[in-house]
Amino acid sequence: KAGVTQTPRYLIKTRGQQVTLSCSPISGHRSVSWYQQTPGQGLQFLFEYFSETQRNKGNFPGRFSGRQFSNSRSEMNVSTLELGDSALYLCASSAPPVGEQFFGPGTRLTVL
Amino acid sequence: DAKTTQPPSMDCAEGRAANLPCNHSTISGNEYVYWYRQIHSQGPQYIIHGLKNNETNEMASLIITEDRKSSTLILPHATLRDTAVYYCIVRPTNTGANSKLTFGKGITLSVRP
Repeated sequence: KAGVTQTPRYLIKTRGQQVTLSCSPISGHRSVSWYQQTPGQGLQFLFEYFSETQRNKGNFPGRFSGRQFSNSRSEMNVSTLELGDSALYLCASSAPPVGEQFFGPGTRLTVL
Repeated sequence: DAKTTQPPSMDCAEGRAANLPCNHSTISGNEYVYWYRQIHSQGPQYIIHGLKNNETNEMASLIITEDRKSSTLILPHATLRDTAVYYCIVRPTNTGANSKLTFGKGITLSVRP
């Protein structure tokens, strides 16, 4: 089986712009979670989608949003980018009911 | 907040067993212990999980104490490629639960030649 794929792998944006990141889960996995990783805060949970519905959300401002499509692919969007949004954004998929999560390679976002 | 505590770092010699400890004294009866590792700048990789019995797979062994308040991940023959940050995580196991993982700081394992 192909693993979790994330696109793009690297991205450079400037403050105030918005960005959309994409995640394709492992075939058959219906749950997709997003995490942000920074040197200062470590790995932090952003949100999780299951069957196109957000079923859990971390403690991030409303500038961070996501969605999931009927084929389980997911996107996350960050609007009005700030310097502090520079991070590695990781996507993970899992198969219900509760299974181990498989992570993608991440998207490295740099905000200038 | 993470419900686990791990020492910040440890090292071991290549070819020897690496024993990584984790304390989870407030673990609930319906929570599993999961271990993931992250090699520099890659996505975390699932290693193993367990509820109360010891578990073994092709990567590692997981030893959970009888009171479930601590566990040890054992890499039986560490190699240089095992150098990584290892995260011990507890999470509920109930059906339909969200998949959120709460990561702590993890333990940095350095395998020396």
